[in-house]
Amino acid sequence: DQQVKQNSPSLSVQEGRISILNCDYTNSMFDYFLWYKKYPAEGPTFLISISSIKDKNEDGRFTVFLNKSAKHLSLHIVPSQPGDSAVYFCAASAASSGTYKYIFGTGTRLKVLA
Amino acid sequence: DSGVTQTPKHLITATGQRVTLRCSPRSGDLSVYWYQQSLDQGLQFLIQYYNGEERAKGNILERFSAQQFPDLHSELNLSSLELGDSALYFCASSLDSSYNSPLHFGNGTRLTVT
Repeated sequence: DQQVKQNSPSLSVQEGRISILNCDYTNSMFDYFLWYKKYPAEGPTFLISISSIKDKNEDGRFTVFLNKSAKHLSLHIVPSQPGDSAVYFCAASAASSGTYKYIFGTGTRLKVLA
Repeated sequence: DSGVTQTPKHLITATGQRVTLRCSPRSGDLSVYWYQQSLDQGLQFLIQYYNGEERAKGNILERFSAQQFPDLHSELNLSSLELGDSALYFCASSLDSSYNSPLHFGNGTRLTVT
């Protein structure tokens, strides 16, 4: 059972426009969420996180939105740049689980067109 | 550079064999995680160690085992290898084992079982 889902395997966006990557989760106990970016032949790199006590967190061009009632989070990249082309993973964890493990989605491949 | 070092980068071996993957965490990080990424799959959590002790277990096969040594480096042992074990294996580290401590990933070991 996939507890964290990224239903769009790929996304293409024009340079300068907004990229919106989506993530859905099923476990209501998740209370901390992260986004990672992965380039080929490299490990995932931490981008931005959000706690369930917030509904928005911003870091430069990256903003993560959390809708707890819909069990949905999204990553907005504005403006998109060619260097943003990568695979993006969302991940979730639950403090109450006691295991502190992160559950990852299957990733969305973003391609920013110049 | 995440500061997490994984060796070897590539490993090719035959079915039935045993291999050891090694991970050195970032300086100061006490927690080590192992993840498996098969083709078109997300990152599957295998196991977590904190300061030498097993903290959490995921979908790790009985043929797989891991440990974290006093110097905090970790090894993942895979035995009786099968074709389906071919995957990218990532190690990640974090400062502590808290649920909101972001993971920092190494570049992975690509295992090919023939």
